[in-house]
Amino acid sequence: TQLLEQSPQFLSIQEGENLTVYCNSSSVFSSLQWYRQEPGEGPVLLVTVVTGGEVKKLKRLTFQFGDARKDSSLHITAAQPGDTGLYLCAGQNSGGSNYKLTFGKGTLLTVNP
Amino acid sequence: DAGITQSPRHKVTETGTPVTLRCHQTENHRYMYWYRQDPGHGLRLIHYSYGVKDTDKGEVSDGYSVSRSKTEDFLLTLESATSSQTSVYFCAISDRTGGSEQYFGPGTRLTVT
Repeated sequence: TQLLEQSPQFLSIQEGENLTVYCNSSSVFSSLQWYRQEPGEGPVLLVTVVTGGEVKKLKRLTFQFGDARKDSSLHITAAQPGDTGLYLCAGQNSGGSNYKLTFGKGTLLTVNP
Repeated sequence: DAGITQSPRHKVTETGTPVTLRCHQTENHRYMYWYRQDPGHGLRLIHYSYGVKDTDKGEVSDGYSVSRSKTEDFLLTLESATSSQTSVYFCAISDRTGGSEQYFGPGTRLTVT
């Protein structure tokens, strides 16, 4: 079973601060995705990273896939209250059932005004 | 946004009663998934479908069954609901040719009393 560990589990910061969320595994993934979920809604895809070492930017969000494709990070610059939500990482299995995802338990981010 | 609806959105039922949740998509995606989301456990896969009448078990399938008689509909049935099945249930869809990204419905909050 492939597992994804996210840290921290909870994060509360002030508006304007920077933060990094981590997603780690001992397994290799074909790709890794980040989702954001707001209360009462389903997760929404933010980005997919595929290549080891890949870096993608989405406005103030920077996503990085580890060189060995076992870990990923999400960095938010100058966080805003609108960034509040549950951030989930999900890895695509590298073996047989590659249409299934393994999800981390999430990081609950609160950005205070 | 992907066209995914779930019904009902909220349901309260009694222990021992059967419950069926419906997921409907308008995207003609091949893959459909049912997850449950619980505090401390994240998203856990219950069952998934890789085509009409083709389904398989996920990591927490006990007590659940599914059916997919046409591309657009994926039904999740709790044959005899238990309090441990109180949860928020999410349906997701994926088109393998477009990668592993999954698109989620709005969720169904189920309470078993």
